[in-house]
Amino acid sequence: AQKVTQAQTEISVVEKEDVTLDCVYETRDTTYYLFWYKQPPSGELVFLIRRNSFDEQNEISGRYSWNFQKSTSSFNFTITASQVVDSAVYFCALSVTNSGGYQKVTFGIGTKLQVIP
Amino acid sequence: DAGVIQSPRHEVTEMGQEVTLRCKPISGHNSLFWYRQTMMRGLELLIYFNNNVPIDDSGMPEDRFSAKMPNASFSTLKIQPSEPRDSAVYFCASSHFRTENEKLFFGSGTQLSVL
Repeated sequence: AQKVTQAQTEISVVEKEDVTLDCVYETRDTTYYLFWYKQPPSGELVFLIRRNSFDEQNEISGRYSWNFQKSTSSFNFTITASQVVDSAVYFCALSVTNSGGYQKVTFGIGTKLQVIP
Repeated sequence: DAGVIQSPRHEVTEMGQEVTLRCKPISGHNSLFWYRQTMMRGLELLIYFNNNVPIDDSGMPEDRFSAKMPNASFSTLKIQPSEPRDSAVYFCASSHFRTENEKLFFGSGTQLSVL
């Protein structure tokens, strides 16, 4: 069974503060993908990053960075110098495709981030 | 490509009425997902199609819900009869596990209100 846990349901930070969104996952599969999606107030879900299970290298993209640690089954997301435009709900997701090509995607409950000006 | 297209964007209906939500996936994608989003439960997978065949419908709440994918470019999610507790945002997403490396592309969603 697959599970994604985002323990933080809501976070509020003041603009320019750094914030880390936690994601812990469970799966018995050795091959899988991890994702972060952003859902701004407008409602659409926007892809942010994908990581496969064999690539533990951390990634930085501008003010965004991701820390993938298989040892702790975590895939945390950090926003540096947060801005009001970062206010959104952020979803962590786990995707596993079996040998038949069937894809199972499990989403966390989401973390609502509010950046206060 | 125009992305995943969902219609309608908003639907307001009365309890007991039939509701049909529509989705056009991205051309070339072979996986299609219907999700329901509520405050209480977040994003719930309702049903997953692969090559137009329903693979996993374990998330469909009950017999009032049904989904079809008659061809690779169209899917519907029907609720009959609708109930107030069905009020939610319904998202359609498509992907191709190989060409898209399992990344999901979401439509804009349908905001359903059942009065």
